[in-house]
Amino acid sequence: GAGVSQSPSNKVTEKGKDVELRCDPISGHTALYWYRQSLGQGLEFLIYFQGNSAPDKSGLPSDRFSAERTGGSVSTLTIQRTQQEDSAVYLCASSFQSPGTRETQYFGPGTRLLVL
Amino acid sequence: GNSVTQMEGPVTLSEEAFLTINCTYTATGYPSLFWYVQYPGEGLQLLLKATKADDKGSNKGFEATYRKETTSFHLEKGSVQVSDSAVYFCALMGFGNEKLTFGTGTRLTIIP
Repeated sequence: GAGVSQSPSNKVTEKGKDVELRCDPISGHTALYWYRQSLGQGLEFLIYFQGNSAPDKSGLPSDRFSAERTGGSVSTLTIQRTQQEDSAVYLCASSFQSPGTRETQYFGPGTRLLVL
Repeated sequence: GNSVTQMEGPVTLSEEAFLTINCTYTATGYPSLFWYVQYPGEGLQLLLKATKADDKGSNKGFEATYRKETTSFHLEKGSVQVSDSAVYFCALMGFGNEKLTFGTGTRLTIIP
């Protein structure tokens, strides 16, 4: 595709439910990133994939958060037992990143999550 | 750890005014520096970047120079337009560290 796509664009859920957020990176991009944008915390890094491996998960806020990437392409971010503080816009980005290089990251439009 | 300190907003200017948004950073080694922009209702877009000291990034009339001696990457534009109204984020990527560290963002509003 032309750019990074994310689905759904908006998600409203009840506290305690699980949610899955999807990211389709730019074709051929080897690296994929998840970030979170919230009013109180600004833009925070969550996790980074190189291929299907996640060498940096340091930003995941708790063990309720997990992510996977399959086939070096699509990634899913799962939040279990959602809490109200999980409400935020979840952004996905991709790049041609190879270890040791610092390539431009291209961002998707985000998924706006609201936990009631 | 790495950090980015960005000029607090919001900033309101008249059309054709000169713009400066300050950005300073803390990082070990030689990070790459970026400005991203988020227009209303849209996703984050790269505006410009610089990868080494004294590099100048430029795009759409915006410029920023990587100043290692002052650890700064201030964003400037000589004559702003209403269409420049957006939120601007300064960010860095450290060496051997692929994630972006962002500043808090500066909301810019240009009045006709």
